[in-house]
Amino acid sequence: QSVLTQPPSASGAPGQRVTISCSGSSSNIGSKYVYWYQQLPGTAPKLLISRNDQRPSGVPDRFSGSKSGTSASLAISGLRSEDEADYYCAAWDDSVFAVFGGGTKLTVL
Amino acid sequence: YLQESGPGLVEPSETLSLTCTVSGYSINLGYYWGWIRQPPGKGLEWIGSMFHSGAAYYNPSLRSRVTISLDTSKNQFSLKMTSVTAADTAVYYCATEDTFRGLMTTSFDYWGQGTLVTVSS
Repeated sequence: QSVLTQPPSASGAPGQRVTISCSGSSSNIGSKYVYWYQQLPGTAPKLLISRNDQRPSGVPDRFSGSKSGTSASLAISGLRSEDEADYYCAAWDDSVFAVFGGGTKLTVL
Repeated sequence: YLQESGPGLVEPSETLSLTCTVSGYSINLGYYWGWIRQPPGKGLEWIGSMFHSGAAYYNPSLRSRVTISLDTSKNQFSLKMTSVTAADTAVYYCATEDTFRGLMTTSFDYWGQGTLVTVSS
């Protein structure tokens, strides 16, 4: 059971906008930066969103992050087939240090 | 560039040992150097990370069995996990872990490709 809670699955049709939530507490998301990772099948995770809402170089602006209180969200607009992947949120926690959410499997219908 | 190496099969109760070779960047510089694992079909679990100063953080649930060390002469860092069981079967990734304004983050900027370690007799 992860310290950060994500829905196990999400889906959307090509071109649509989907959001993935990540719920935590005051000891992690509520007081620390949130990071998002994309893991394509059979590959290592890739940093997608840094410090709540910053896109690293090379990440399309279709991907955006936000944070409010003890929750964070990843939004993907203009959904494409190549976005089908697992998505993980992560944050530092005062007690247990680095924690990941359980992951959300995104299906492009 | 990071590359994991080590045995793909470890017997139960033995010690798992992995090495991450870093190229193109000195481990004496600004990152923490960490390990993350992923059991087959499951999510990511952070194991721990170490700075070249020797400062280290470990997952409390694994702390009693895990040691991370750095070899600056070889630009490598290593993971040792003792008393392994089948539950330790996973793909093990090495990664850089960045800080921001002196504070720890979960910014894993660069990853190795991962190596599958199976615990079985």
